[in-house]
Amino acid sequence: AQSVAQPEDQVNVAEGNPLTVKCTYSVSGNPYLFWYVQYPNRGLQFLLKYITGDNLVKGSYGFEAEFNKSQTSFHLKKPSALVSDSALYFCAVRDEGGGNKLTFGTGTQLKVEL
Amino acid sequence: SQTIHQWPATLVQPVGSPLSLECTVEGTSNPNLYWYRQAAGRGLQLLFYSVGIGQISSEVPQNLSASRPQDRQFILSSKKLLLSDSGFYLCAWNGHLNTGELFFGEGSRLTVL
Repeated sequence: AQSVAQPEDQVNVAEGNPLTVKCTYSVSGNPYLFWYVQYPNRGLQFLLKYITGDNLVKGSYGFEAEFNKSQTSFHLKKPSALVSDSALYFCAVRDEGGGNKLTFGTGTQLKVEL
Repeated sequence: SQTIHQWPATLVQPVGSPLSLECTVEGTSNPNLYWYRQAAGRGLQLLFYSVGIGQISSEVPQNLSASRPQDRQFILSSKKLLLSDSGFYLCAWNGHLNTGELFFGEGSRLTVL
């Protein structure tokens, strides 16, 4: 069965510095990978996805993610963090069993400090 | 623009009482619809999904049930709530273009006392 792992419960970064939120995946076929952001007491907002093509995917709010097949990773990145980026970030993979379902990681809390 | 709606946004219910959470999607037809639960503010667990009216797939055995009485309406129910049913319930749909990502509502926070 497919799965994603987010090894860090929390990531702290200073405003203006680059940020990376890590995600690794496990699938038997070609992966469909996604990143979402969640602010407190809100629903999840879609940031970006990798289906096929260029390994560097650009998404909303200046975020991007790099797909690395050999390392089975899909890390979320941003060149310059903002305090307003502080939120809970989820990596997800599409289920291989159909139904367009997504399996989510456990989430990484990003804290950007002044 | 927000095309998926959930209500109520917040609910406090006693143990043993019934539950009904509603989700509706605007401006589309025959969407795939999903109920996820988020416990303790972290991981999401898929509870149910539906590809059409009356078609419900349950992902985990539990005290909850789902129904889809209309094309754009998805309801999460329980006859008798347990303390462990507390959580943040999120409804999602597959979007107009059905390109893989899901789009989520704003969630319903349920506290069972």
